[in-house]
Amino acid sequence: DAKTTQPPSMDCAEGRAANLPCNHSTISGNEYVYWYRQIHSQGPQYIIHGLKNNETNEMASLIITEDRKSSTLILPHATLRDTAVYYCIVRVARGTSGSRLTFGEGTQLTVNP
Amino acid sequence: SAVISQKPSRDICQRGTSLTIQCQVDSQVTMMFWYRQQPGQSLTLIATANQGSEATYESGFVIDKFPISRPNLTFSTLTVSNMSPEDSSIYLCSVEEISGSDFGPGTRLTVL
Repeated sequence: DAKTTQPPSMDCAEGRAANLPCNHSTISGNEYVYWYRQIHSQGPQYIIHGLKNNETNEMASLIITEDRKSSTLILPHATLRDTAVYYCIVRVARGTSGSRLTFGEGTQLTVNP
Repeated sequence: SAVISQKPSRDICQRGTSLTIQCQVDSQVTMMFWYRQQPGQSLTLIATANQGSEATYESGFVIDKFPISRPNLTFSTLTVSNMSPEDSSIYLCSVEEISGSDFGPGTRLTVL
């Protein structure tokens, strides 16, 4: 799987948008960008994923650059409960040979009141 | 999304002993995964468990240390054998869903 690079930590004010960047310059054409988060002492939680188009769901938006070498996860109105470690992962489609989640170090997002 | 439970949620064990962790899913799934998360670190995949076949282990993990059972499509166990303090970690099981993977709450293991 391609390696991702994320800042180790970020801060955000409550109610503001949190923009978490991820670099994946060696991503292959058949690899997706996935985002998970892990709130302290809990199992990771799936947030969103995409291939090349921007995606939005009830939790977040995912913006992928045209060259697919980087992406940004956007939490539009961060709350204190969004404080967590956010992982950006690239992987091939589920069920494909070699499809597995390889977790990097992630970004510790702290939402401040 | 799948509902995943793990037992025990936490345990404190003596070195040299073994602990079996159970993972129960509320739906039938083909592939189940076991991860380890050492203190202050990210998750590392231990092995992939398919029903009816031997588990596939990642580099650095061996069956003698982490034997896995997968008797049916909703259940799996991971045993941590001959434990040492270095095995103190959170162990998580995971399944794949259509959109993304779901994770259990984890088993927090402390080895003295």
